Formats: sequence, structure tokens, C-alpha cells
Amino acid sequence: ELKVEQNPLFLSMQEGKNYTIYCNYSTTSDRLYWYRQDPGKSLESLFVLLSNGAVKQEGRLMASLDTKARLSTLHITAAVHDLSATYFCAVDNPQRQGAQKLVFGQGTRLTINP
Amino acid sequence: NAGVMQNPRHLVRRRGQEARLRCSPMKGHSHVYWYRQLPEEGLKFMVYLQKENIIDESGMPKERFSAEFPKEGPSILRIQQVVRGDSAAYFCASSTIAGSYNSPLHFGNGTRLTVT
Repeated sequence: ELKVEQNPLFLSMQEGKNYTIYCNYSTTSDRLYWYRQDPGKSLESLFVLLSNGAVKQEGRLMASLDTKARLSTLHITAAVHDLSATYFCAVDNPQRQGAQKLVFGQGTRLTINP
Repeated sequence: NAGVMQNPRHLVRRRGQEARLRCSPMKGHSHVYWYRQLPEEGLKFMVYLQKENIIDESGMPKERFSAEFPKEGPSILRIQQVVRGDSAAYFCASSTIAGSYNSPLHFGNGTRLTVT
């Protein structure tokens, strides 16, 4: 059974600092997604990572994927308050070909303080 | 181009009542997924449907829950005889073709079900 674990689950940081969120998964998969969720809102897609070594950047966020280690990271550079949200990674279940049956991590609740 | 539309946004039901949650996928999308999010947890897959077909319902509880996606109209997630443990946010997502490699699922705003 595919399991996805994130850490930390809670992260409080100051504006201007850098930090990394980690996402480990238990079985082989070649599709990993990062989503952002604001309180009471839906999920916003941030990144789709499709291959080993993939790195994508958008603004102050950068995501990478190491399929051999079954690890993805979401790096936050010089954090600003607007990035406060819950971040989820999700991995495509490899047993289900052709359908996006995602398994989500528990989420990392990020709070950025002025 | 409207996104995935879910209604109602909030639904309150007493124990034993029925809850009906509706989802209209994005225009041009023929694949619908339902996920459930319990408080402080990640989303969990429930069911995957195409028009008039349930493709994978492995995440659905065996009793009281059902889903459909008719030829015309929205997808419906139906929960009969609701219990307090059904209180959660229910998200619908849609995609174009199955497993579209580069395309993430597009999620609706969710229906927050509260069972009193």
C-alpha cells in the first residue's frame, strides 16, 4: 500500500528565512504533485514533477524529485507572509494505470510571522 | 472557463438524514474524482467516475455511500443515513483524459458537511 509522509507537519517561521518541507513515499511512482490549500479553500496546484531529478521553481518556491530515494522537497526561499498555508504533496498510485488516484501526505501547515 | 463547481458549499444534516453533494467538472473534462478530507488530515480518494461509469470505487465505504455521473448533469455523491463521522470536506476534481501525464487534477472548492 502506498504511503506518503510529510515532515514537518507544522512549521512556524519568520519572514525572510529559508526552509524545506520533505515528502517521502513508500513505493515506486513517477508522478508527484505539490498543492497549496488556504483555510476553508480548495487545493491549488503548485508543481507537477514527472521524472527523477526534476526541479521546478515558481517565485519563492522550488520543488524537486528524487525517485530513487522516493523523496520530494519543497524549498521556500526568503519567506513572505503570503506563503502561509497548508502544503500537500500527493503521489500517483502506480497500481492504477491511466487514472490519477492520488495518495496525499498529511499536509504541512506553514505559518510565516512578520 | 469556469472551474470545477461544487454545491452546496456548506451542508448541515442531522444524523439519519441523507446528504447529496453535486459536482460539475470543468468544461471538456469527462473524468471526475471524489476525495474526502477529515479535519487536520490530507485528502483521501473515494471514487473515480467517467460518464455513466464507475471506474474505481475502492475508497468508498461499503455502505451508505454511492456516486454517479450521469450522461447529462453533474456528478452526485450521496450519503444515506449520515452519522457524525461523515462530517468532513468533500472535494471533487476533474481531468480531461485519464492519467493526463502533465496535467494535475483541478479541484473544486469543496462541500463542507456537518452532521449534528
